Amino acid sequence: DAKTTQPPSMDCAEGRAANLPCNHSTISGNEYVYWYRQIHSQGPQYIIHGLKNNETNEMASLIITEDRKSSTLILPHATLRDTAVYYCIVRPLNRDDKIIFGKGTRLHILP
Amino acid sequence: DSGVTQTPKHLITATGQRVTLRCSPRSGDLSVYWYQQSLDQGLQFLIQYYNGEERAKGNILERFSAQQFPDLHSELNLSSLELGDSALYFCASSKIGIQETQYFGPGTRLLVL
Repeated sequence: DAKTTQPPSMDCAEGRAANLPCNHSTISGNEYVYWYRQIHSQGPQYIIHGLKNNETNEMASLIITEDRKSSTLILPHATLRDTAVYYCIVRPLNRDDKIIFGKGTRLHILP
Repeated sequence: DSGVTQTPKHLITATGQRVTLRCSPRSGDLSVYWYQQSLDQGLQFLIQYYNGEERAKGNILERFSAQQFPDLHSELNLSSLELGDSALYFCASSKIGIQETQYFGPGTRLLVL
């Protein structure tokens, strides 16, 4: 699986947009970008995924660069409840097995 | 709420003992995955079952075993427990198929004393 690189931690003011970057420069054409988050010791929560087009759902937006070597998860109006570890994961299109979690980005939302 | 349930929420036991963790997948999901999260190792994949059959194995110790029953619930059995087995154990489920999203349960926190 392609390796991902994320900053270990980030701060964001409550009410502002939180932009979490992820580098996946070795991504191949059949690999999706997934984002999960884990709020303190809870089960990882699926946020969003995409292949090459930008995606939006009720939780977040995912912006993937045209060359697909990096992406940004956007939480449009961060709240204190968004404080969590955010994992960027790259998974092949034709596999349904394990998720390989890295260290993620610890996002602190500041009041 | 992901729809995946896990019991018990907490478990405290002694070294050398055996415990069973239980997972009920989301309705309609055929695949169940088990993950372990310890402080120093992060989230690690243990094993996957699909419709009752083992499908993939990760870093699962020989002292650990799992199964998936006809009603699709799964159990993870941990035996000869050691202090280092203290961790959070998560179950996830997905429908089978290409690029199916995995949804995680709330986890079982195991403490081995």
